[in-house]
Amino acid sequence: GENVEQHPSTLSVQEGDSAVIKCTYSDSASNYFPWYKQELGKRPQLIIDIRSNVGEKKDQRIAVTLNKTAKHFSLHITETQPEDSAVYFCAAGLNSGYSTLTFGKGTMLLVSP
Amino acid sequence: GAGVSQSPSNKVTEKGKDVELRCDPISGHTALYWYRQSLGQGLEFLIYFQGNSAPDKSGLPSDRFSAERTGGSVSTLTIQRTQQEDSAVYLCASSAPHRGGGNTIYFGEGSWLTVV
Repeated sequence: GENVEQHPSTLSVQEGDSAVIKCTYSDSASNYFPWYKQELGKRPQLIIDIRSNVGEKKDQRIAVTLNKTAKHFSLHITETQPEDSAVYFCAAGLNSGYSTLTFGKGTMLLVSP
Repeated sequence: GAGVSQSPSNKVTEKGKDVELRCDPISGHTALYWYRQSLGQGLEFLIYFQGNSAPDKSGLPSDRFSAERTGGSVSTLTIQRTQQEDSAVYLCASSAPHRGGGNTIYFGEGSWLTVV
């Protein structure tokens, strides 16, 4: 089955800095890679996703990159703000929609004002 | 409904008792998932339903755990003879697979289970 590794487990940055979270996956068949943000006591919510037919996707201050050859993908947050503080989870699975997602163990991002 | 609904939101139970956790997915979503999140841990997959059938039960940690889904909608996760290590947040999620791909899953708020 799929195995997803996520690093770092915690990340502290100053407001305005950039933050990068990296994930690797094991199953070369995986072609769908979403990122979820979970604020304290709240449900995980999708913030961005990427499919294997593209190498990069950007949405305002958030971007994801994918390297299928190396089987790794990353989340980049620029100009971080205190409200970006949360736990971020990467996941990998199939784009078919008829399968499960395997999640990484999460990264706690702390943005200090 | 507007989102994935779970109940109870909090449950404290004594060791050895059985508990049932309920999930009402987003209307029209055929896929339903149960995940478990222990304190400070990631999202551990438990079971996946497509309609009423469960093609993937590989994540259920022991035979004390079972789940069913009736009518292609509501699902119940049952934990028998609860143990303290079962204490966690149990998250339900649903998705609506569609032609052309897509597997965006939407989570509920979770059921926080504490076994004392």
